[in-house]
Amino acid sequence: LAKTTQPISMDSYEGQEVNITCSHNNIATNDYITWYQQFPSQGPRFIIQGYKTKVTNEVASLFIPADRKSSTLSLPRVSLSDTAVYYCLVGAFYNQGGKLIFGQGTELSVKP
Amino acid sequence: GAGVSQSPRYKVAKRGQDVALRCDPISGHVSLFWYQQALGQGPEFLTYFQNEAQLDKSGLPSDRFFAERPEGSVSTLKIQRTQQEDSAVYLCASNQPTGKGHIEQFFGPGTRLTVL
Repeated sequence: LAKTTQPISMDSYEGQEVNITCSHNNIATNDYITWYQQFPSQGPRFIIQGYKTKVTNEVASLFIPADRKSSTLSLPRVSLSDTAVYYCLVGAFYNQGGKLIFGQGTELSVKP
Repeated sequence: GAGVSQSPRYKVAKRGQDVALRCDPISGHVSLFWYQQALGQGPEFLTYFQNEAQLDKSGLPSDRFFAERPEGSVSTLKIQRTQQEDSAVYLCASNQPTGKGHIEQFFGPGTRLTVL
């Protein structure tokens, strides 16, 4: 399983764009890159998934360079409600019976 | 309901007591997962069911932990003779696998277990 490294914490202000980078140097060919978000007292929630290049949805964008050894989650114009822990996960999860392997995550704090 | 529900939301147990935590997955979801989340850490996998079959229990920390899903829907995680180190949030998730890529898992709110 690919090991991931991401910052423990980040601070931002409302209205700013936030980029959280995750390193996964030993990513395998079949691995996908997936991000989950977790608010206090809630379970994690799927945000976005990608394999290569760029993926965008209504919540975030995910940038993956050609070598796939890192990825960047981009949150446009954050608000206070984006304060949460963000987890980067890498794996071909369906091959593992679907179980997710979480790291420590990045605790994002958005200030007014 | 629309999402995964778990009960109770909070449980306080005295050391040595047995506890049972319930998970109601999204209706029709074949796969069900249990995770344990210690304070300040990411969730850690405990066990996985596909319908009523427990296909992976490699994450259960000891034989005091037992999970079942007898009819392929509701699941119960039981912890016998609770210890203080069992204090954590226990999360349940479900999904409908298609065998391709990452299939989103839908998590419940968790049960916070405190063992005194």
